This record gives sequence, structure tokens and C-alpha cells, in this order.
Amino acid sequence: EVQLVESGGGLVQPGRSLRLSCAASGFTFDDYAMHWVRQAPGKGLEWVSGISWNSGSIGYADSVKGRFTISRDNAKNSLYLQMNSLRAEDTALYYCAKEGGYSYADAFDYWGQGTLVTVSS
Amino acid sequence: EIVLTQSPATLSLSPGERATLSCRASQSVSSYLAWYQQKPGQAPRLLIYDASNRATGIPARFSGSGSGTDFTLTISSLEPEDFAVYYCQQRSNWRYTFGQGTKLEIK
Repeated sequence: EVQLVESGGGLVQPGRSLRLSCAASGFTFDDYAMHWVRQAPGKGLEWVSGISWNSGSIGYADSVKGRFTISRDNAKNSLYLQMNSLRAEDTALYYCAKEGGYSYADAFDYWGQGTLVTVSS
Repeated sequence: EIVLTQSPATLSLSPGERATLSCRASQSVSSYLAWYQQKPGQAPRLLIYDASNRATGIPARFSGSGSGTDFTLTISSLEPEDFAVYYCQQRSNWRYTFGQGTKLEIK
């Protein structure tokens, strides 16, 4: 059974940093690209960042480029999101999502339950 | 950045009726269009990938169509569990975007 478990969220002051983690199990982690998607309270989904299986390709939404850094450790089956210079508008539930690969035309076939990040003074 | 516009924002229908949801892209995305369903307090669930292919375990009443810039998600006969928010999503050169969502509510 595929499982994605996010952690690291919490309350943080504007301008500070936070590191999110996603522990993956139930599939061959280093075969798939992974992503972070966020959802502000009462709002829609926003793609944040993605990373290929070997970290060779990485993408960011314009809203986080230069502030957030995605990374992965295939030996630990883990995905990370380093978030610096946090702003109030970064407040959201952050989901870790697995890309389905070629068989799913790169759609996101599994999602975690999310970790909540609140940026407030 | 490719912008996805979903319509309508809210769709009010009764169980048994047919639902038609639209997603329009600001430029061609070929067939790289996915649809997700999200219920309150839950993570999104993949319904359709590559514009018209149902994901594993998705009932046959869900179907997707379209290519280029215009896409449609159709639910042939609504069940009570289908009332939720639906999002479309595209990917292009490591830039992914979601539509703003369509809320399907019980009339």
C-alpha cells in the first residue's frame, strides 16, 4: 500500500524558515517524480514544486521561486521542502504527491494527508 | 505560465442527473490534462489522466474528453458521493497548474 506521510508543519513567524518532510513507502521511491502541492484555507490547489526521480529536473511555482528548495533522499525514501523567508500568504496545508509516471501521463496518483503551515506573528 | 479556467464555479444538480464540467487552457496542453476530486477534509483523488483515461478504481460514470485547450469532465448519472470539488491540472516543462475548481453541490 502506497503511503505518503508529511511532517514538519507548524506555526512560524513571517521571515522565518521551516522544513517539511514526506516519508514514502509502498512503492519504489526512486522510480518516480514527486511534488509539493498546497491549499490555503478555503481555497483551491496550488502546485508548489516538483522534482524528478534523480533530482535532475526541478520546477517551482513563481510564487515560491528563490525562497523554497525541494530535495529528495532516495536512500531514505524521503522528500523535503525547505521554506525560507516565509510570508503570511504561504499559510496552507502542504500535500506531498507522487507522480504516476509514464503510465499515468505524469498525473499525481497518490497524495498524503498534508501538514499545516501557519505563518503569523 | 499556462492558466486553466474552470466553469462553472458552482454546479447545482440532483442525484441521477448528468454533470458536465469544463476546463479551458490559455494555450495548448496537448492531452496532458488530469482531473481530481476533493471532498471536505480529504486529499485530492485522481479521476482522469491524459484527458480521457480513468484512473484505477474510478467508476465508469466518470469520463473525460478534449484536447488542445478545451476539456470536459462528465459524470453520467450523479451518485450522492459525487458531490465534491473538482480540479483540472496540466503539466508543461516542469510547470504544473491547477484550475480554480468547480464545486458540484446537491440541488
